[in-house]
Amino acid sequence: ETGVTQTPRHLVMGMTNKKSLKCEQHLGHNAMYWYKQSAKKPLELMFVYSLEERVENNSVPSRFSPECPNSSHLFLHLHTLQPEDSALYLCASSQERGWNPGELFFGEGSRLTVL
Amino acid sequence: AQKVTQAQTEISVVEKEDVTLDCVYETRDTTYYLFWYKQPPSGELVFLIRRNSFDEQNEISGRYSWNFQKSTSSFNFTITASQVVDSAVYFCALSDPRGGGSNYKLTFGKGTLLTVNP
Repeated sequence: ETGVTQTPRHLVMGMTNKKSLKCEQHLGHNAMYWYKQSAKKPLELMFVYSLEERVENNSVPSRFSPECPNSSHLFLHLHTLQPEDSALYLCASSQERGWNPGELFFGEGSRLTVL
Repeated sequence: AQKVTQAQTEISVVEKEDVTLDCVYETRDTTYYLFWYKQPPSGELVFLIRRNSFDEQNEISGRYSWNFQKSTSSFNFTITASQVVDSAVYFCALSDPRGGGSNYKLTFGKGTLLTVNP
């Protein structure tokens, strides 16, 4: 299995729908992340979970709700989204080791289109 | 505030040419890490290199080399004898370890789309 798996790979939803993105990592890492990648913009960090606790919420609107039930799984619950939320949502994991940050391992992303 | 600038939006080269991707960063921290990631068409970002701010030695890995110059706040990436498989978006990123070192945040540049033509 690949290190970080994201499902679904593609999602189309209306503005009133509720959907969820799922991420699973098989690397034994202790931190997981959600990033948003929009066209012609830098990757934007949305959420960071370390040891299953949320340690970063980068001013993300409440229509995005993360959930990290254990160190291997991360969800992004979507509700009442806007067309401008259409983007590639990337999940990543890393092994935090004190003073020496590990590299991020990314999934292939979930391409979200909001109609 | 931290910032990473990749001024080259797109670069197109012919196979076997050498190509350099530029990265300029801004930070007030004295301790930080710099990264390069590659994003092929499949979507996942692939880690290429990490460099800490105290190590200015250049690094070479096969056809890849990196030139870190603190004096100009640059961390440039050169691909020698480029190949079609090198076609991808390349991101430079900057991180700052937070108090105690656990958890950090990456600031990414906008990326450079490299197209290597046969």
